[in-house]
Amino acid sequence: SQQGEEDPQALSIQEGENATMNCSYKTSINNLQWYRQNSGRGLVHLILIRSNEREKHSGRLRVTLDTSKKSSSLLITASRAADTASYFCATDRSGGGADGLTFGKGTHLIIQP
Amino acid sequence: DTEVTQTPKHLVMGMTNKKSLKCEQHMGHRAMYWYKQKAKKPPELMFVYSYEKLSINESVPSRFSPECPNSSLLNLHLHALQPEDSALYLCASSPFQRSSYNEQFFGPGTRLTVL
Repeated sequence: SQQGEEDPQALSIQEGENATMNCSYKTSINNLQWYRQNSGRGLVHLILIRSNEREKHSGRLRVTLDTSKKSSSLLITASRAADTASYFCATDRSGGGADGLTFGKGTHLIIQP
Repeated sequence: DTEVTQTPKHLVMGMTNKKSLKCEQHMGHRAMYWYKQKAKKPPELMFVYSYEKLSINESVPSRFSPECPNSSLLNLHLHALQPEDSALYLCASSPFQRSSYNEQFFGPGTRLTVL
């Protein structure tokens, strides 16, 4: 069943601008992960934030997590054409991988050169 | 080797056919997963195998039959599928360490078309 809801569903920005995507979920989680998918191919893991963390950085990526609001955001700074892809948040209830991941609806990001 | 491979890349089958999808990883991961993804939708979990045992079946119809012959291989046997089963089938693996936080590694998927 789907849990996360991404907002916006589609986003088009100019190269060099920042892109922000939001995700909401419904149940308690152990961690939340963000994945990127290019053109209907396999997903690539971007970043994982634990339920006791509020913010995490990895290169040009910044993720926040607000467990009281059951929401997360992904910020991509200084966007590049190669960032054009679909981005999904995914929640992990147990942390060990035993439950699989529940994905949000995704944000399709287009970076205009 | 940090790759999850899936074969075939594309598969077209009739509703009376029997076919199999194959997934392989050599990262020593002990959890493997099948997800189904329809066009413009997120992946949806189908099955979870941990230590070669089926631990989760998300109410998937019996025309999909998973198999985990060993810790590196995961198969999905298909029989009497319907056109609405056409989708991208994604395999993933993860270390399955209960005391840790596990990302999943995805294969490129098999694009299945049922005629």
